Amino acid sequence: TQLLEQSPQFLSIQEGENLTVYCNSSSVFSSLQWYRQEPGEGPVLLVTVVTGGEVKKLKRLTFQFGDARKDSSLHITAAQPGDTGLYLCAGAGPSGTYKYIFGTGTRLKVLA
Amino acid sequence: DAGVIQSPRHEVTEMGQEVTLRCKPISGHDYLFWYRQTMMRGLELLIYFNNNVPIDDSGMPEDRFSAKMPNASFSTLKIQPSEPRDSAVYFCASRSQGLGTGELFFGEGSRLTVL
Repeated sequence: TQLLEQSPQFLSIQEGENLTVYCNSSSVFSSLQWYRQEPGEGPVLLVTVVTGGEVKKLKRLTFQFGDARKDSSLHITAAQPGDTGLYLCAGAGPSGTYKYIFGTGTRLKVLA
Repeated sequence: DAGVIQSPRHEVTEMGQEVTLRCKPISGHDYLFWYRQTMMRGLELLIYFNNNVPIDDSGMPEDRFSAKMPNASFSTLKIQPSEPRDSAVYFCASRSQGLGTGELFFGEGSRLTVL
């Protein structure tokens, strides 16, 4: 069974601080996604990474896929209250399957 | 364009009752997923369909759960009989094989409470 462990589980920081969220597994994924979920809503895609070592930037968010495609990180620079939410990583199995397994989640709260 | 539509948004029922959750995927999407989310277990994949055919139902907890997709625009998840431990938010998501990002589009979820 593929498992995705995220750390930390909870994070409360002040506006303007930087943070990094980690997503780790012992399994190899063909691609990995990051989603953000707000209360009462479904998760919304932030980014998809496919190539080992790939780095993608989305404004103040930087995503990295591990070289071995088993782990990923999300770094937020100068966090803002609008970044508050549940961050989820999701891994897809071997190419040709669409079984997305979600991580345990990181609940972020950014205080003004 | 309309997103994934789920109903009901909230359901409160008593143990032993039958529960049916409904989902209308985004038009043109050929994959449909049912997930369950709880604080303890996070977001778990229950089953997914491709072109209305169930591909993997290994996440369905037990025989009390069943899912159908009679056509490309409708799917149901049924729990019979329901138990308190089934209380969770159930999400439906769809995607298109043709989309390069592999993005899953989620509905707003159905919050189920079994008393």
